[in-house]
Amino acid sequence: ETGVTQSPTHLIKTRGQQVTLRCSSQSGHNTVSWYQQALGQGPQFIFQYYREEENGRGNFPPRFSGLQFPNYSSELNVNALELDDSALYLCAILRDSNQETQYFGPGTRLLVL
Amino acid sequence: AQSVAQPEDQVNVAEGNPLTVKCTYSVSGNPYLFWYVQYPNRGLQFLLKYITGDNLVKGSYGFEAEFNKSQTSFHLKKPSALVSDSALYFCAVRDISSGSARQLTFGSGTQLTVLP
Repeated sequence: ETGVTQSPTHLIKTRGQQVTLRCSSQSGHNTVSWYQQALGQGPQFIFQYYREEENGRGNFPPRFSGLQFPNYSSELNVNALELDDSALYLCAILRDSNQETQYFGPGTRLLVL
Repeated sequence: AQSVAQPEDQVNVAEGNPLTVKCTYSVSGNPYLFWYVQYPNRGLQFLLKYITGDNLVKGSYGFEAEFNKSQTSFHLKKPSALVSDSALYFCAVRDISSGSARQLTFGSGTQLTVLP
């Protein structure tokens, strides 16, 4: 196991609502990334946080936002949910920046109706 | 821009036979390359990576991959497949010249089925 946890495991929302997904790690890290994995596709990079600051963003609109906290937890917030936001959301931590390996959590499956 | 291609959506192999899952990549700079495996209703599990050094990389569960710069490929291999290897496999690349964010770009995945 990677020691990365995500909550909730499953979530159902309706279009236009807002959602907050959470990620935490048992061990120290200073970098966390979030990815969106639509059904039948590979994960797509949403953004990355390093020492509580966003330092990279993929092709996602501003209604996708995040926070990183000093206690090795982080959040992904999505406003004004759309049907296409239905996906598995994965967080990944980088324990040692020199090793480059990102360790993923089990994901949160979001369904937007 | 960086991209990854996994040309086979599905690979079937008999248990005990060697397996290969193909991956090619495109980056403007030098690549870091990764393989991850995903079991049903689970996150991604790291298998192996190429950062620098030997082109043949050995990873978890007997898997290995060979970095071929001239062919821009990073195929995943295993000498003898197990039924328990059946899963969804993703190749990913990071272009180390693309800035400070350690953004991974993933392929579309290859479903490996090992038949008993």
